[in-house]
Amino acid sequence: SAVISQKPSRDICQRGTSLTIQCQVDSQVTMMFWYRQQPGQSLTLIATANQGSEATYESGFVIDKFPISRPNLTFSTLTVSNMSPEDSSIYLCSVEWGLPEAFFGQGTRLTVV
Amino acid sequence: GENVEQHPSTLSVQEGDSAVIKCTYSDSASNYFPWYKQELGKGPQLIIDIRSNVGEKKDQRIAVTLNKTAKHFSLHITETQPEDSAVYFCAATPGGAGNMLTFGGGTRLMVKP
Repeated sequence: SAVISQKPSRDICQRGTSLTIQCQVDSQVTMMFWYRQQPGQSLTLIATANQGSEATYESGFVIDKFPISRPNLTFSTLTVSNMSPEDSSIYLCSVEWGLPEAFFGQGTRLTVV
Repeated sequence: GENVEQHPSTLSVQEGDSAVIKCTYSDSASNYFPWYKQELGKGPQLIIDIRSNVGEKKDQRIAVTLNKTAKHFSLHITETQPEDSAVYFCAATPGGAGNMLTFGGGTRLMVKP
């Protein structure tokens, strides 16, 4: 399986600011995914990120709010922009590893105050 | 799109007893059904999965069954231990590159010593 590292593991941010979350994988992977997990809830897909192309966003998520970069096959970032308390969640990076298994990073716990 | 329902939302068992978590899905094209365990402060960990050409799969104390006709699958944990306490998520996907997972709502399992 792939080893996935996310930074930061947690953060407390002021409303109106932005936070960039990094996801590093120890192997090259084609597909990377970003999920949001609101408190006590299940996982909701934000977007799919392929290297060399624009991320594909799910309904309810927009690029202006959640810009994603995928500069190479082992790295991706998710930015949460202009944050409000409603953005307080766990953000998870996932990779597709051997179709169709998927593995997750440990998550970034974001609190917006 | 796919819709996955998971029951129960919470489950409390005595150590040594069995635990069963059930999921139903809506998309007949789904053919891959993983189960994830999420401990507090960690990302989801893949614990077992099953493909549509298999009716049952077992790994030590964990087993998963699949009924494609009825579109439901279940996780069975035998001889539960306190370390089994966590939130468990089922998921479904048609598989293939870029086919993202649709998750159930999660089950909080508490194993009482």
